[in-house]
Amino acid sequence: LAKTTQPISMDSYEGQEVNITCSHNNIATNDYITWYQQFPSQGPRFIIQGYKTKVTNEVASLFIPADRKSSTLSLPRVSLSDTAVYYCLVGDGDSSASKIIFGSGTRLSIRP
Amino acid sequence: NAGVTQTPKFQVLKTGQSMTLQCAQDMNHEYMSWYRQDPGMGLRLIHYSVGAGITDQGEVPNGYNVSRSTTEDFPLRLLSAAPSQTSVYFCASSFGRGQEKLFFGSGTQLSVL
Repeated sequence: LAKTTQPISMDSYEGQEVNITCSHNNIATNDYITWYQQFPSQGPRFIIQGYKTKVTNEVASLFIPADRKSSTLSLPRVSLSDTAVYYCLVGDGDSSASKIIFGSGTRLSIRP
Repeated sequence: NAGVTQTPKFQVLKTGQSMTLQCAQDMNHEYMSWYRQDPGMGLRLIHYSVGAGITDQGEVPNGYNVSRSTTEDFPLRLLSAAPSQTSVYFCASSFGRGQEKLFFGSGTQLSVL
């Protein structure tokens, strides 16, 4: 499985843009990059998924450079409610892959 | 449409007891899985299933059994509970295997004394 590396924690302030970078040097050609958000005492929630360049939805943007060895989740104008753990997942290149492995994630704390 | 439903929400067991954590989904998803999450840690995959009658081991399968007799249900059985199995357990499902979006239940908090 392609392993991911994320910062353990990040701090920011309300109204700021937050960028969380994930490193995945061994990403395979068929892999997508997926981000989940987890609030305390809840299961993770899908945020965004992409393959290359840029993907944007109502919650976040995902930037993927041409070599796809890293990706950046961008949260615009964060609020206190964005305090959560964010997980970056990368598939293992097999379309029949079934082991979906979560890493340790990035604990994001937003301050007033 | 309830999504993924887990029961119970809380459970306390004594060492050596057995129990079953229930997971049901009403989205006709083929893929279902179980994770455990220890305090301050990420999720670890216990077992998963790609369809009725098919199950396989994840990262930490020891001490747990699963079965998938229907598409909707994927129960997790603790054979002989140990304090090391104290954790929060999450069930998840997705339309297909691989890189499909996962939908999670609200979790079961299990304490083994």
